[in-house]
Amino acid sequence: SQQGEEDPQALSIQEGENATMNCSYKTSINNLQWYRQNSGRGLVHLILIRSNEREKHSGRLRVTLDTSKKSSSLLITASRAADTASYFCATDAKGGSNYKLTFGKGTLLTVNP
Amino acid sequence: DAEITQSPRHKITETGRQVTLACHQTWNHNNMFWYRQDLGHGLRLIHYSYGVQDTNKGEVSDGYSVSRSNTEDLPLTLESAASSQTSVYFCASSDGTVAKNIQYFGAGTRLSVL
Repeated sequence: SQQGEEDPQALSIQEGENATMNCSYKTSINNLQWYRQNSGRGLVHLILIRSNEREKHSGRLRVTLDTSKKSSSLLITASRAADTASYFCATDAKGGSNYKLTFGKGTLLTVNP
Repeated sequence: DAEITQSPRHKITETGRQVTLACHQTWNHNNMFWYRQDLGHGLRLIHYSYGVQDTNKGEVSDGYSVSRSNTEDLPLTLESAASSQTSVYFCASSDGTVAKNIQYFGAGTRLSVL
């Protein structure tokens, strides 16, 4: 089964609006991360939230984690055209020396000027 | 600055040929990973390595191999390229701690198998 499923698959908003993306996963995790991918480029790490944390902020980004529901959300406030990209959540399975990440299929965010 | 580079950026090959994609990182990371990215599938793990001489299969390893002879490089070889291997390939590395399990990605190699 797929670990890390983002919702929605695509989101289109106007500049200045907030964008919210959701991620669900299936197994216990150590951490959950969000990455951004601009068209034609590699993924770039945005933020990491540990399994014992509920909320984390970084600039215009706010991430929440609900381990009881196995879900996370990424909020981008006051969006800009430059935020247009695909956003992926990634999880690492709890236990052992496991450094593998399982990525979801991503949310394509389009911010219209 | 430390970086991770992939080469070539674009490659066109024919069915049945052997192809090697290069990945070189200057982060001095122990962990390295190869993914393929296809529409509708997101990123799927092909192979990974946690150190020199260590290699492991990911979820879509058939038809691919890797070797790790030093810390910096993890080349990905397609033994006999197939059209189903047309994809964008990404290499990534991480520093090998659970607390800092952040991956750094290369810019990708777009491979077309004709």
